[in-house]
Parts: sequence; structure tokens; C-alpha cells
Amino acid sequence: GAGVSQSPRYKVAKRGQDVALRCDPISGHVSLFWYQQALGQGPEFLTYFQNEAQLDKSGLPSDRFFAERPEGSVSTLKIQRTQQEDSAVYLCASSFFRGRQPKTQYFGPGTRLLVL
Amino acid sequence: DQQVKQNSPSLSVQEGRISILNCDYTNSMFDYFLWYKKYPAEGPTFLISISSIKDKNEDGRFTVFLNKSAKHLSLHIVPSQPGDSAVYFCAASRNNDMRFGAGTRLTVKP
Repeated sequence: GAGVSQSPRYKVAKRGQDVALRCDPISGHVSLFWYQQALGQGPEFLTYFQNEAQLDKSGLPSDRFFAERPEGSVSTLKIQRTQQEDSAVYLCASSFFRGRQPKTQYFGPGTRLLVL
Repeated sequence: DQQVKQNSPSLSVQEGRISILNCDYTNSMFDYFLWYKKYPAEGPTFLISISSIKDKNEDGRFTVFLNKSAKHLSLHIVPSQPGDSAVYFCAASRNNDMRFGAGTRLTVKP
């Protein structure tokens, strides 16, 4: 497909379990973003990559959250020792352009994480 | 701190009429504003934007109005169509740091 894809689409985890969420950006897109959308809220910025470099991780809520993009394409968001407050939809977005220009971001469908 | 607020969680309008979605923000340093549209099971898609140096931007049936003194923006859809039924997110940006509102669910009835 031509768009941003994310997997899994749904994930149920027991509290304390580690999870890994995958994002496949649009081919050739330089920039990649992760957002967290809690129930009834808008998306909130987590982290930003330009190619393989993580240029901004100021939005990661705790050191249990870790993101990587080792080859500058696919990215993985890992959450260790999940807590109930981590339950949310995790959105990935990519952009052809360098930088965080909001208008140019294409969003994936998200991964809905439920921590029991 | 919610810097961008959409106070109406839902809105229902009749097909052919105008839909007006509202958004308020608190940070006067925001310089770029956007509206996104989201269908179920899909990610948000960019709809229309406006720079803080303008007060109106129009694209087909969609117009965004910005009132900087009131820290308020609105999205007008005329005429509304059933395919416009979706969740609409308002977003405000400064230095590309983007903050989203919680969204308004628009239902356009045939």
C-alpha cells in the first residue's frame, strides 16, 4: 500500500508486560513521528526521527518508552512494563520533508493498546 | 495543560446546511493552525490550514477563520455532505510543535 501502515492494529497486554509497536512509513519519507492519543483526547507528540536519528524525544512520558528507527525506514515503539495509563491509540506519521512541518505529515491508522 | 480546546464533542447537521466547528487556544505564540479529519479505523488526514498572518483561508467547501484577539478558530463546511461525517481535530503549532484538540464528531444526516 502507499500509505503509512502500523502493526498490530490492536494489542491487549497484561500490566507489566513489554510491548512493541511497528510503523512502516511511506517509502522515501525522511521524517517519522510517534503520537499517543488517549481516550477522548487529541494526539500528543511523543518523538521524532529524521532518517535514523532521533532528534526529539521530549514527549516520551517515561523511561519505559523507547523508540528506534535503525535503518531510517521502519520504526518500533517499545513500552516496557506496561501500566494501565499506557492504554491509548499510538499513531505514527511520516513526512517527505525534513523537520516537523505539521502540514506535511501523513498518519497511519494507529495501534490501539489496552493494558489490563 | 490543554492549550487547544474543542468544547463541543459532537455536532449534528442536515445535509446541505452549514457545519461550523469551533476551536479555542490559550497560547498566543501559536503561529499556524490546522484542521484534520479522521474516519473510523484510519489516521487523521490534513484538511486545511491557516497562518496567523491571515484571518481566512478557503478551499472548496471548507473555510477556516482565525480570530487572533479571541484566540479562536472555526471550520465552516458548506454545503455539508454525508461523507463529511467524521471526527475533526483542530491543531495549533509554534516552531512545528503541534498541539491537538480533543476532536469534534460531526454527523451529517441525509
